[in-house]
Order: sequence, then structure tokens, then C-alpha cells
Amino acid sequence: DSGVTQTPKHLITATGQRVTLRCSPRSGDLSVYWYQQSLDQGLQFLIHYYNGEERAKGNILERFSAQQFPDLHSELNLSSLELGDSALYFCASSPTGQGYNEQFFGPGTRLTVL
Amino acid sequence: DQQVKQNSPSLSVQEGRISILNCDYTNSMFDYFLWYKKYPAEGPTFLISISSIKDKNEDGRFTVFLNKSAKHLSLHIVPSQPGDSAVYFCAANAGGTSYGKLTFGQGTILTVHP
Repeated sequence: DSGVTQTPKHLITATGQRVTLRCSPRSGDLSVYWYQQSLDQGLQFLIHYYNGEERAKGNILERFSAQQFPDLHSELNLSSLELGDSALYFCASSPTGQGYNEQFFGPGTRLTVL
Repeated sequence: DQQVKQNSPSLSVQEGRISILNCDYTNSMFDYFLWYKKYPAEGPTFLISISSIKDKNEDGRFTVFLNKSAKHLSLHIVPSQPGDSAVYFCAANAGGTSYGKLTFGQGTILTVHP
């Protein structure tokens, strides 16, 4: 158990819908990262928040947005969903906002768009 | 543009023998490297890391070697155990320039036979 929690574990929805994925980092960690793992793309970095502020963005679609709240939990919002958005979404956390730190991953949310 | 490559999709090893997993990278800005293990339906679990100022790091049965001139790293597992059967990902970070963004390889499926 990494100490990172993600809800829900599974999510099935239809195209065009909007969903919210939630992540709680390990106690004391200030950074939250979101990654997407699809079958043909491997693990892809989406976005990084540090202590409530956006720090870095990867290849995140405009239909996707995230935020980190004062209690440090984070939410990833996916809207206008398409079939291709079906994937595993992982959240990770680390103590600082710098590199040179291992990131601890949650169990993931499996999103299926029908 | 795949900046981190694991060219072997799978590796099969006998219990007790050495497992060697390889990873190549192209971005010379990468200066911190990590290995993660992933079981089905779980998030990646951190195994071991190495900074570019070192060429070797050991932790129990796991040793990571870094050859900066060749832009190559490898993970050695000795002795291999059936419980080591999982997908192994190498990941790279550009330290202070990219905050915590990790760039992952595609993964290598390790199977350790009893």
C-alpha cells in the first residue's frame, strides 16, 4: 500500500459525458501527478500540482483539467469523453515539487467510455 | 518521439538466475532514473533509483547500472524469484528543469519460472 488513494476504482460512462477522478496523496506529500496509461501509449504524464499550484503540463487534452485543493487532494476532470479516453488513470505523489524524488502511485482508476 | 525505450517487451528467467532488464534514453537532460514494478490491477511500485552522478546503486537483490555515455541503464535482479514476475518500467526525470515529470518506457514483462 503506497498510501495514495484513488476513487473510484472503476468508472463506466458514455461518450460525451463528464467524469471526475479523485486522488488523495500520501500524508505529508505536497505534490500530486496524474498519468494516463492506455494500451498503445504506455504511462503518459498529464499534469503536476505542487501545494495547490500547477507546476508542469504534459500532453493533456484541453477537455481535461485538474486542480489541487487546500487539503492537498486533487481531482482530474475529463469532459466530452471519447472512446479513446478509455484508459487507466494513475495519481502519484511525492514530498516536494522537485525532481530527484521517487513518486508513489495509487492503484488507479480504470475508465471505460462506451 | 519516445525518449525512453525498453526494447525487450518480455523476458523469461529461471528461478535463482539473474534477470537483466535494459533501458535506453535519448534525452541528455535526463539526470535521474527510476525503476518501477507493476502487478496487474495495481499501481506502479517504486523499486530503485539512480542519479546521474553515480554509475551503480544497490538495494538488496536489485542493482541499477547507469552508462551515461551510452545513455543506457539496466536493472539486475539476483537471485530472481517467482514473485518478481511483473511488468518493469524504467522512468527518467530531468531533475530541476522539469520538476517531477517522469517519462516512462513501454515496460518489460518479466516471468520467473520456478
